[in-house]
Amino acid sequence: GAVVSQHPSWVICKSGTSVKIECRSLDFQATTMFWYRQFPKQSLMLMATSNEGSKATYEQGVEKDKFLINHASLTLSTLTVTSAHPEDSSFYICSARGRLFYNEQFFGPGTRLTVL
Amino acid sequence: DAKTTQPPSMDCAEGRAANLPCNHSTISGNEYVYWYRQIHSQGPQYIIHGLKNNETNEMASLIITEDRKSSTLILPHATLRDTAVYYCIVRVGGDSSYKLIFGSGTRLLVRP
Repeated sequence: GAVVSQHPSWVICKSGTSVKIECRSLDFQATTMFWYRQFPKQSLMLMATSNEGSKATYEQGVEKDKFLINHASLTLSTLTVTSAHPEDSSFYICSARGRLFYNEQFFGPGTRLTVL
Repeated sequence: DAKTTQPPSMDCAEGRAANLPCNHSTISGNEYVYWYRQIHSQGPQYIIHGLKNNETNEMASLIITEDRKSSTLILPHATLRDTAVYYCIVRVGGDSSYKLIFGSGTRLLVRP
C-alpha cells in the first residue's frame, strides 16, 4: 500500500509553546488528509479533515484556533498545536487518501506529543 | 459517533483462526465496512473492506451477513504478530468525501 510519513515521531515541549507536526504522502497525491488524536488506552478520535488548497473542516468540539491545519500541497499537511498545554499531550496520527485509491485510506506512524 | 459494536477483547491460539465479530445494525445500503488494526504505538494498518459480498485478500477474509447488520473478520492462521487492536468501521459519506470514525475496537491477544 501507499506510504504516509510523519515528522517528528515524538516531541517534548514546554507549556505555552507551539508545535508543528508534518504529514507527507510519499508515493501518491493526497487529495484529502485527516488528523486524529489518540489518548492512552483509547480509540482514535477524528479531529479534522482537509482537502488540498481548502480550509480544514473540524469535528465538533475541536478548537480550530488551537489546532491549525494547513494542506498546502498534494503531499503535505501540517498540524500546529498552538500554546500547547499538558492536556494536549497525546498521540497524533495523520491519514491520507488520493484520487486513484479513494477506497483506501492510509495512516501515518503517529507523533507522540508530550507537553511539560 | 461510531456505528459499530465490537467485543472489547478476544484471544486465540497461535495457528488457529481468529474470528472477530462486529455489529453494525444501522448501516445504510451504500455504506462500506472497513477493518483496520493497530499494533501498540503505531498508526492503523488497513486490512480489508467490503460492501455486500464476502471479500478475501492476503491478510484476511471478511464475511458480511446478508442483511448487512453484522460482519466477521477472519484471520485464518493467527500468529503472535497479529496481536493488536482491531477496528471495524462503517464508512460514512460518499466516495470522495467519506470519513472513517473509529469505535472502541477489539483487543486480540494471540497466545503461543
